[in-house]
Amino acid sequence: GENVEQHPSTLSVQEGDSAVIKCTYSDSASNYFPWYKQELGKGPQLIIDIRSNVGEKKDQRIAVTLNKTAKHFSLHITETQPEDSAVYFCAADLGGDMRFGAGTRLTVKP
Amino acid sequence: ETGVTQSPTHLIKTRGQQVTLRCSSQSGHNTVSWYQQALGQGPQFIFQYYREEENGRGNFPPRFSGLQFPNYSSELNVNALELDDSALYLCASSLGTGEAETQYFGPGTRLLVL
Repeated sequence: GENVEQHPSTLSVQEGDSAVIKCTYSDSASNYFPWYKQELGKGPQLIIDIRSNVGEKKDQRIAVTLNKTAKHFSLHITETQPEDSAVYFCAADLGGDMRFGAGTRLTVKP
Repeated sequence: ETGVTQSPTHLIKTRGQQVTLRCSSQSGHNTVSWYQQALGQGPQFIFQYYREEENGRGNFPPRFSGLQFPNYSSELNVNALELDDSALYLCASSLGTGEAETQYFGPGTRLLVL
């Protein structure tokens, strides 16, 4: 089955700096890679996603890159703000069976 | 807000009991997936339902079962509760199946088994 590894497990940045979270996956058949943000006491919220036919996608301060050959994808957050502080999860989907990474706790210091 | 709702928000049960958790999908979505999220971990896929039929299952024992109704709302049932079943249970709704579709999560039900 699919196995998703996520690094780092914790990340602390200064407000205004960039944050990068990296994930690798094992099953080359995975074709959809969403990123979720989870705040305390809430369910995961989709922030950006990418499909296997695209190498990069941007949405304002958030971007995701995908390297299918190397089987890794990354989340980039620029100009971080304190409200970006949360746990971020990457996931890889084979088509109904979505596997999540273990999460990255991002702290943005004002 | 995703439009996905879950009930109850919190629940306390004792070992050996049975529990039913409920999920109401986002309007127009015909697929629901259930996940178990232990403290400090990522969600783990339990199963998915599409048009009232189970459409895939993760590595969970048969005491985890589900239902999807004609209005696409869903239930997760867990029999013979164990202490390790304590977790946040999440449902996510999506449109369609086969191709990977964007899943929208509800707020979850936090289950504590004593």
